[in-house]
Order: sequence, then structure tokens, then C-alpha cells
Amino acid sequence: EDQVTQSPEALRLQEGESSSLNCSYTVSGLRGLFWYRQDPGKGPEFLFTLYSAGEEKEKERLKATLTKKESFLHITAPKPEDSATYLCATPGAGGSYIPTFGRGTSLIVHP
Amino acid sequence: SQTIHQWPATLVQPVGSPLSLECTVEGTSNPNLYWYRQAAGRGLQLLFYSVGIGQISSEVPQNLSASRPQDRQFILSSKKLLLSDSGFYLCAWSESYNSPLHFGNGTRLTVT
Repeated sequence: EDQVTQSPEALRLQEGESSSLNCSYTVSGLRGLFWYRQDPGKGPEFLFTLYSAGEEKEKERLKATLTKKESFLHITAPKPEDSATYLCATPGAGGSYIPTFGRGTSLIVHP
Repeated sequence: SQTIHQWPATLVQPVGSPLSLECTVEGTSNPNLYWYRQAAGRGLQLLFYSVGIGQISSEVPQNLSASRPQDRQFILSSKKLLLSDSGFYLCAWSESYNSPLHFGNGTRLTVT
């Protein structure tokens, strides 16, 4: 059974203080790794897909990286508007349509 | 481009009343459709998913049901709501089994 674990559960940063969020996974053959951002009271917004170890994707202050066992979401010089919950997920195994989501990291960036 | 619409945004219903939440997707055909529930401070719980018209898979036995009367329409229903049905309900779609999900903005349901 696939497992996705995110850490830390919560992270507080000062504006401009760079950090990384972790998503570790145990899957039977990596089929991709997705990152989402969820604002309070909204649905998760898709950010990135990573398909192979060594792959990197960037969007503004966010950069996602992937290894064979985990993914990192690096946040460079964050701003208060980056405050949100960040979720990662893997696609279903063996043709399953059910993705496996982590429980998320709640990020708060203080001005 | 593809868009997903989910309504209503908020809903307050008394215990024992029926429920109908609707979700529609535009700009794609034969999407995979999903209903999730998200409790405060907790992860996403998959309730139902559908890979085609009239095909529904249930992941959690409960007081809810789902239907897909049209290709891009997904409906979540209940005949009699329970207090425990309160929560944040999210509809999502994907192109294929290994594609990312795209979520609607959710419905906040409060059962009183």
C-alpha cells in the first residue's frame, strides 16, 4: 500500500526566511509526484508534477525537487502570501484511479 | 481550458434533511471525477470516484451516495443528513489515472 508522509505538519517562517517542506513516499514504483497549494476555505490548487528522480520544477518562489524516496518543496525568500497548506500526492498504483495524499504542511509566513 | 464548478459554496442543513451537491466540469470529455471530504485540520478522505457515466465506486460506507448522470456532471446526495456529515466537500477531476487532480472550490456543509 502506498504511503505519503509530509513533514513538518506546521511551519512558521519570517518573511524572507527560506526553508523546505518534505514529502516522503513509499510506493511500488514511482509513477509521479504532485504538489498542491490549499488556501483556507478553498480547494487544493495543482502546482507541479514530477515524474523522475532528479527532476526539478519552479514557479515564482517555489521549487520542487524529486529523489527516489522523497520530494522537497523549497521556498525561497517567502512572502506572507505564500502562507497556505501544501499537499503532495502520488497517483494510484497498478492502474488504480485513487491517488494517495499526504496530510499536508501548514505554512505561515509572518511579515 | 478546463474549469470545474462546484456549488453551493456554503450550506446549512438540519439533521434529517436531504442533500444534493453538484459538480460540473467544462472543457474536457470523459474525465475521472471524485468527491472528497476534508475535516478541519485533517487530510482528504475519498468518498466516491467515477471513471465513466453511471459508474460509481464507493470508498467509505456511509450516509452518502453519488451519481454521474452526464459525462461531466457528478452529484453527491444524502436522503437524511447526520450531524457527522458536516464538513468541507470537494469535487475534483483528472484526465487519467496517473494525472493530477484538479479541485473545485468546495462546499462547506454544516448540519445543525
